[in-house]
Amino acid sequence: GENVEQHPSTLSVQEGDSAVIKCTYSDSASNYFPWYKQELGKGPQLIIDIRSNVGEKKDQRIAVTLNKTAKHFSLHITETQPEDSAVYFCAANPLSGYSTLTFGKGTMLLVSP
Amino acid sequence: DTGVSQDPRHKITKRGQNVTFRCDPISEHNRLYWYRQTLGQGPEFLTYFQNEAQLEKSRLLSDRFSAERPKGSFSTLEIQRTEQGDSAMYLCASSSLSETQYFGPGTRLLVL
Repeated sequence: GENVEQHPSTLSVQEGDSAVIKCTYSDSASNYFPWYKQELGKGPQLIIDIRSNVGEKKDQRIAVTLNKTAKHFSLHITETQPEDSAVYFCAANPLSGYSTLTFGKGTMLLVSP
Repeated sequence: DTGVSQDPRHKITKRGQNVTFRCDPISEHNRLYWYRQTLGQGPEFLTYFQNEAQLEKSRLLSDRFSAERPKGSFSTLEIQRTEQGDSAMYLCASSSLSETQYFGPGTRLLVL
């Protein structure tokens, strides 16, 4: 089945810096890659997603890049703010036929004022 | 609020008891998913419904777990004879025919 590796597990940045989180996946047939933000005690919230026919997607301070050849995708957050502090998860659709998602283990992002 | 809702938000039970959780998806979504999340891990897929049909179950879903979606709207997840290892956050998500899944707030289960 699909396996998703996520790095780093923790990331500390100063407010205003950029943050980059990287994920690799194993199933070359996967074609959908969402990113979720999870705050303490809450469910994951979708922040951006990308499909395999697109190499990059941007939404304000957040961008995602996808390299299908290398089977990796990355989340980029620019001009970080303290409210960006949370756990971020990447996921991949393993194309089992039913659109279930396989998640990475998460990255705890801490943005210091 | 038109998002995914889950009830209860927290549940404490004693080992061996049965528990049932409810999920109400976004109203126009015909796909519903259950995931389990333990501390420090990403969500792990448990089972998936399209309308009222349960189409996929993970190997994580032991025979003590059962899920239903009788009318293709809300879903229930029941755990029988709970064990301490069942302590986790149980998340529900829903989607339309696109892959985009929207998660509820989760039910946190603690088995004593």
